[in-house]
Amino acid sequence: GAGVSQTPSNKVTEKGKYVELRCDPISGHTALYWYRQSLGQGPEFLIYFQGTGAADDSGLPNDRFFAVRPEGSVSTLKIQRTERGDSAVYLCASSPLGGQTGELFFGEGSRLTVL
Amino acid sequence: KQEVTQIPAALSVPEGENLVLNCSFTDSAIYNLQWFRQDPGKGLTSLLLIQSSQREQTSGRLNASLDKSSGRSTLYIAASQPGDSATYLCAVNGNNDMRFGAGTRLTVKP
Repeated sequence: GAGVSQTPSNKVTEKGKYVELRCDPISGHTALYWYRQSLGQGPEFLIYFQGTGAADDSGLPNDRFFAVRPEGSVSTLKIQRTERGDSAVYLCASSPLGGQTGELFFGEGSRLTVL
Repeated sequence: KQEVTQIPAALSVPEGENLVLNCSFTDSAIYNLQWFRQDPGKGLTSLLLIQSSQREQTSGRLNASLDKSSGRSTLYIAASQPGDSATYLCAVNGNNDMRFGAGTRLTVKP
């Protein structure tokens, strides 16, 4: 596609439920990043993929959060037993090179609201 | 851990003014620095990317500088317009991730 695509754009769920957020990167981009952004804050790093593997998952807040990228393209961020504090905009970015030199291109984000 | 700070947090200027946004970072061992624009409820739009070996980058009315040794970058906006109103974020790339500042919320008044 022309840009990074994220679905759903909005998700409202109840506390304790399971949520999946999807990211479709720009075609051919090897690197993929997930960020979380709360109101009035800058994006907070969660995880970085180079190809199929998670090169850095140090930003995942706890073991309720998990992300996969099985074929090196689409990625899914999975959140188990959601809590109200998980409410935020989840941003995905891709990069043609990633790592040390790549420019990041962001999607519009998925707004998650946990009631 | 890399810490990125942006000053000021908010800025309001009349149309036509030139302005400077500041970004500082604590670890100078970076690969590049990227400036983004974010409109309310939207994703991030890349403005300028400066590699660690570069001193500045220009695009139209925007000029970004990088002083890696002192841990500073500035974004200069010339002849500001109401359409420039947005939040401007800087992000520093080191060790395979990008760390963001909290942003500067810019309002340009007609």
